[in-house]
Amino acid sequence: QVQLQESGPGLVKPSETLSLTCTVSGYSISSGYYWGWIRQPPEKGLEWIGTIYHSGSTYYSPVLKSRVTISVDTSKNQFSLKLRSVTAADTAVYYCARVSGGSYRADFWGQGTLVTVSS
Amino acid sequence: QTVVTQEPSLTVSPGGTVTLTCASSTGAVTSGNSPNWFQQKPGQAPRALIYSTSIKHSWTPARFSGSLLGGKAALTLSGVQPEDEAEYYCLLYYGGGQPVGVFGGGTKVTVL
Repeated sequence: QVQLQESGPGLVKPSETLSLTCTVSGYSISSGYYWGWIRQPPEKGLEWIGTIYHSGSTYYSPVLKSRVTISVDTSKNQFSLKLRSVTAADTAVYYCARVSGGSYRADFWGQGTLVTVSS
Repeated sequence: QTVVTQEPSLTVSPGGTVTLTCASSTGAVTSGNSPNWFQQKPGQAPRALIYSTSIKHSWTPARFSGSLLGGKAALTLSGVQPEDEAEYYCLLYYGGGQPVGVFGGGTKVTVL
């Protein structure tokens, strides 16, 4: 069974960089698939942040593209998110997910981690 | 910026049928948008239900079905159960080969 687990600081100061890691178990990232980050502000809907292929190719939401970097570490079976210059509007539950090629099915998700931006 | 629109809320009686829709600001939704549907209950991560318009995941109950309807993606719940009360999100892809989706705002389904 594929499992994903987000980890990282739960509190980030305004203007700083939010950094999260998603650790994958039950599947080797280097075997294929895309790997994505999605967020959900409190009491609001879902927002796609970006996606990375196991080869390292990245695809970002045009809304967040200027502040986002997603990277992959196949040796650790992890992929990571960095979001720069955060504000209170970036407070959200951040999810990682596996996305298939072709059909783009986002089948397995992490449980999510709440990141609060506050001084 | 592309906007994906869903009904904010729908109410259905137990055992009834309800259809949720998902519209795109760019025009008709097609199979090329690879519509996905997710169910989310309070405090939980989204759970995938449908992909590629109408294909169910192995864990998706048979009462859930996906389709294209009048230029929109649609999710139909037949024989609704109390446990189906949840928020439902659609996800559409754009840009030919770009695995970055746009979510709809979600539909809150109440079973009453």
